Amino acid sequence: AQSVTQLDSQVPVFEEAPVELRCNYSSSVSVYLFWYVQYPNQGLQLLLKYLSGSTLVESINGFEAEFNKSQTSFHLRKPSVHISDTAEYFCAVSSRGATNKLIFGTGTLLAVQP
Amino acid sequence: DVKVTQSSRYLVKRTGEKVFLECVQDMDHENMFWYRQDPGLGLRLIYFSYDVKMKEKGDIPEGYSVSREKKERFSLILESASTNQTSMYLCASSLLPGQGIYGYTFGSGTRLTVV
Repeated sequence: AQSVTQLDSQVPVFEEAPVELRCNYSSSVSVYLFWYVQYPNQGLQLLLKYLSGSTLVESINGFEAEFNKSQTSFHLRKPSVHISDTAEYFCAVSSRGATNKLIFGTGTLLAVQP
Repeated sequence: DVKVTQSSRYLVKRTGEKVFLECVQDMDHENMFWYRQDPGLGLRLIYFSYDVKMKEKGDIPEGYSVSREKKERFSLILESASTNQTSMYLCASSLLPGQGIYGYTFGSGTRLTVV
């Protein structure tokens, strides 16, 4: 069975500081990995994904995540955060199998303070 | 852009009522999903469907049922609502594997309160 662990339920950070949101997964098979973002009172939006190839993936708004197979991690980073990045971030894993079912972590609230 | 529409943003229902949550997607996706989201628990899969009239139980199906009579519509049914079903409900859709992995597209959610 697959699982996703986001150890930090909340990460407070000052504006323009760097941030890392941690995600670890467990799976016995090859996986696809995703980060989703949920702004207040909205549904989830896909932020970035790792399917294959380069282990470093980037989003259009400055976030990046690196797939580390040996550490079974997919941490999300941003070198300088903005107030508008305040949201809940979910890591998710899907096996390269038939059902295309995503397993989500419990989420990390990124709280950016001025 | 794919759009997933959930019919209600907020609902208040009484204990014991039968509740229908509706979800419609407009991009011909095969897969559709219902999750509930609770603080500290993340998203938990209730049911999913990979084709019309096909359904599979997720991790927490008890107290829920689903219906998929048309490809674009996936309904979640609470047969007899209880207070422990107060939650945010999220619908999502996606293409089948082999057609490209694009992740899920989510609706905006329905916040259900059972009193």
